[in-house]
Amino acid sequence: AQKVTQAQTEISVVEKEDVTLDCVYETRDTTYYLFWYKQPPSGELVFLIRRNSFDEQNEISGRYSWNFQKSTSSFNFTITASQVVDSAVYFCALSLVFGKGTRLSVIA
Amino acid sequence: EAGVVQSPRYKIIEKKQPVAFWCNPISGHNTLYWYRQNLGQGPELLIRYENEEAVDDSQLPKDRFSAERLKGVDSTLKIQPAELGDSAVYLCASSSGNRVRNSETQYFGPGTRLLVL
Repeated sequence: AQKVTQAQTEISVVEKEDVTLDCVYETRDTTYYLFWYKQPPSGELVFLIRRNSFDEQNEISGRYSWNFQKSTSSFNFTITASQVVDSAVYFCALSLVFGKGTRLSVIA
Repeated sequence: EAGVVQSPRYKIIEKKQPVAFWCNPISGHNTLYWYRQNLGQGPELLIRYENEEAVDDSQLPKDRFSAERLKGVDSTLKIQPAELGDSAVYLCASSSGNRVRNSETQYFGPGTRLLVL
């Protein structure tokens, strides 16, 4: 069975701090796909990144970066210089299986 | 391009009443998903359609839930009768359906927030 664990339920940071959201997954598949989604207070999940199991290159997109490590089954998400607009619930997903999410609050 | 449309946005009903949710996916998207999201939890898949065919409905409580996707476009999710525990947000998502199964990026609608009293 597939499983995604986001151990951090809630995180609060002060604006401009860096923050890392952890994601650990379990699967027996050799080919799999990982995702991060953002759910702002409006409720609509917004796609952030998709990564397949054969691509372990880290990715950077503006202030966002992702660290994928197959050896530890982790796919962590870092926001650099956080902003108030980053406040949301962030979900890590393994194909169609979602973690419970991490609520990030960025305080001005 | 229009996103996934869902209606209604909010619904309050009394237990034992029926309720239905409607979803219109992104134009051209063959795959459609219904999820339930309980408070403080991640979305949980209820059913996935590829065109008109329900290819994964193992998590759909079939005693009271039903879904259909006529003509492979719009979809309706129904609960009859509703129970208190059905209070949740019901999310619809769609994807293009052109890639390996379960590899696709899903695009979500705003959800329907259901409250059963």
